[in-house]
This record gives sequence, structure tokens and C-alpha cells, in this order.
Amino acid sequence: DARVTQTPRHKVTEMGQEVTMRCQPILGHNTVFWYRQTMMQGLELLAYFRNRAPLDDSGMPKDRFSAEMPDATLATLKIQPSEPRDSAVYFCASGPSRQETQYFGPGTRLLVL
Amino acid sequence: GEDVEQSLFLSVREGDSSVINCTYTDSSSTYLYWYKQEPGAGLQLLTYIFSNMDMKQDQRLTVLLNKKDKHLSLRIADTQTGDSAIYFCAESIGDYKLSFGAGTTVTVRA
Repeated sequence: DARVTQTPRHKVTEMGQEVTMRCQPILGHNTVFWYRQTMMQGLELLAYFRNRAPLDDSGMPKDRFSAEMPDATLATLKIQPSEPRDSAVYFCASGPSRQETQYFGPGTRLLVL
Repeated sequence: GEDVEQSLFLSVREGDSSVINCTYTDSSSTYLYWYKQEPGAGLQLLTYIFSNMDMKQDQRLTVLLNKKDKHLSLRIADTQTGDSAIYFCAESIGDYKLSFGAGTTVTVRA
């Protein structure tokens, strides 16, 4: 049963620290998405990639967030420096090339103190 | 811009049918989706419908699509306590992106 995996599942850190979240998309999927979910804003698209190339990262605060795909099996989302307002659940999703269907990972719950 | 709207809450008695409604704005959407999110979990793809269909049935789930009114609904037959979750409607908006609604929290009461 192919699934998107994310690590870590939970992260508690202090303001100012760097946070790195990792995602392994489903093998063979070539679109990868990063979302943030909060009670206030709901589900927000931060960035997404196709064939490892960034297509749109307009949803990310550029000064502190960065997203990369070092290879087809790994996507990373970094926050440096982290702030309390970054506390949220961060989801990775991947999708096959011929359809917009997205499959979500379990999320990383981030708490910045 | 794209905007998907759905009611925020639905309470249903166990064994009854649940109907969750959604309206969308992009008439060119190719696919429309229903996702389920249980507490502490990610979004699970429940079902989807191609835009040239008006109905799709999958076991206890029935999806109805009215393209003229841009209205999508999800009916869950014989609702069980395990169906308590947040249900998200989503539409494809091009460039591989989806636009999600705010989610409908379904509470199943005994």
C-alpha cells in the first residue's frame, strides 16, 4: 500500500531555531505539494513541484521558508528562523502525472514556543 | 479566483444518511474530490468524480454532481461512528493544483 511518509510527525522547538520537515512522495508520483493547516486559515498551499522543479512557491513567506527536492524520493521544507506563528500542521502530498489527484501524508505537527 | 464553499457542521444520527454539500466556482474543473480527515491524521482521498459524470457510487458513498449549478454532494448511507470526521470538498483548478473548501465537521451521535 503506497503512502506518502513525513518526518518528524511531531516537532517542538523554540523561536529562532531551524526546523526541517521531510517528505517521501509515493514512488512514481512527480508532483509534490506542501500545505499548512491551521484552525484560523484552514488548508493553505505553500509550494509545489513537478518533476522536482518548483512550480509555485508564492504561498510561502520567502524570508524564512524554503522548499527543495534534492531527489525524486525526498522533498524538504525548512523554516529558519522559526516563529510562534509558524505553529501548525504541515502536510506533504504527491500526485501522479496525468491527474490532479493528490495523496496526503500524515503531517508534521509543529509547535514553536 | 477559485472558491469552494461548504457548510461547517453536520450532526447526524447513527444509521441515518449524511449529505454534505459543496459549491465550487471553476466551471472548467476536470475533477472534483472528497477527502476525509480524522483527528490527528492527514487528508484521506475518499472518492472523486470526473466532470462529465453526474453520479458516482462507491459502496456507502454516493457523489452527485450538478455542473449547471456547480454543486457537489456526498451522501454517506448508514452513517457509522467511524464516519465522524472533517470532510473536504476540492476542485481541480489547473496546473495540478486543487482548491479546497474549509471542511464540514460531521458528528455522528448514537
